[in-house]
Amino acid sequence: AQKVTQAQTEISVVEKEDVTLDCVYETRDTTYYLFWYKQPPSGELVFLIRRNSFDEQNEISGRYSWNFQKSTSSFNFTITASQVVDSAVYFCALSEARNTGFQKLVFGTGTRLLVSP
Amino acid sequence: KAGVTQTPRYLIKTRGQQVTLSCSPISGHRSVSWYQQTPGQGLQFLFEYFSETQRNKGNFPGRFSGRQFSNSRSEMNVSTLELGDSALYLCASRPLAGGASSYEQYFGPGTRLTVT
Repeated sequence: AQKVTQAQTEISVVEKEDVTLDCVYETRDTTYYLFWYKQPPSGELVFLIRRNSFDEQNEISGRYSWNFQKSTSSFNFTITASQVVDSAVYFCALSEARNTGFQKLVFGTGTRLLVSP
Repeated sequence: KAGVTQTPRYLIKTRGQQVTLSCSPISGHRSVSWYQQTPGQGLQFLFEYFSETQRNKGNFPGRFSGRQFSNSRSEMNVSTLELGDSALYLCASRPLAGGASSYEQYFGPGTRLTVT
């Protein structure tokens, strides 16, 4: 069975601090996808990134960066120089990547990030 | 492109009633999935539809059902509502074509259902 663990329930930082959100996953699949989503108070889940299991290259997008380590089954997300607008709940998710075409996202419990001015 | 739209955004129903929620996917997206979000259980997969057929279903009772139309729009129905069905119901769409990007699900704003 697939499982995603986000051990940090809530993180509070002051604006301009760097913050890392942890994600650890479990799967028996050799090929899978990992995702991060942001959920602001409005409720909509905003897609941030997809990572393939065979691509361990880290990715940077502006102030956001992701560190994927297959050896430790982790896919951590770092926000550099945090801003108040980054306040939201962040979800890590996992799905298989078989050729069935079906897809089911398995989500972690989320980490609530509060950035204070 | 317009995003995923869901109607209604808010709904209040009484125990025992039934409810139908609607979802319009991003133009060109053929797959629609539904998820339930509650404080206790988090985000849980309900089902996925493409080509008007249910392709995958989560661990929910038969009171939860859905369908997809030829234009890829989808509806989900919950019959005999229980208090525990109070949740945010999120719809997501993905394109099905385009390699790995076909696995990127884009979510709508959700329908918040309150059962009293």
